[in-house]
Amino acid sequence: EVQLVESGGGLVQPGRSLRLSCAASGFTFDDYAMHWVRQAPGKGLEWVSGISWNSGSIGYADSVKGRFTISRDNAKNSLYLQMNSLRAEDTALYYCAKARAAAGPVYFDYWGQGTLVTVSS
Amino acid sequence: EIVMTQSPATLSVSPGERATLSCRASQSVSSNLAWYQQKPGQAPRLLIYGASIRATGIPARFSGSGSGTEFTLTISILQSEDFAVYYCQQYNNWPWGTFGQGTKVEIK
Repeated sequence: EVQLVESGGGLVQPGRSLRLSCAASGFTFDDYAMHWVRQAPGKGLEWVSGISWNSGSIGYADSVKGRFTISRDNAKNSLYLQMNSLRAEDTALYYCAKARAAAGPVYFDYWGQGTLVTVSS
Repeated sequence: EIVMTQSPATLSVSPGERATLSCRASQSVSSNLAWYQQKPGQAPRLLIYGASIRATGIPARFSGSGSGTEFTLTISILQSEDFAVYYCQQYNNWPWGTFGQGTKVEIK
């Protein structure tokens, strides 16, 4: 059974940093790209960032480019999102999502339950 | 940048009736279109990919159609568990994973 478990969310002041983690199990982690998708309270889904199976291809939404860094550790079956210079508009539930392919634009066949990030003073 | 537009924003339907949801892309995405269902307090669930292919375990009452810029998700006979928000997502062009704003299917 595929499982994606996010952690690392919490309340943080504007301008500070936070690191999210996603622990994956139930599939061959290094066969697939992985992504972060967020959902602000009461709003829709917004793709944030994605990373190919071997970290060779990485992408970011314009809204987070230059502030967020995605990475993965295939030996630990883990995905990460380093979030710097956080803003109030980054407040959201952050989902880890498994892509259906190793790289490129794809759809997401499994999602975690999310970790909540609240940016507020 | 591709923009995905879903309509209507809210669809009021009675159980047992058919629901038809639309998704339009600002430029062609070929058949690289997915649909997701999200219930309150839950993560999204993949329903359809490749515009018309049901994901594993998805009931046959869910069907997708379309290509290019116009897509439709049809729920043939609405069950109580189908009342949720539905999102379309293109995966043909950058930026990866562009979502529509969602359609809420509510009980009439």
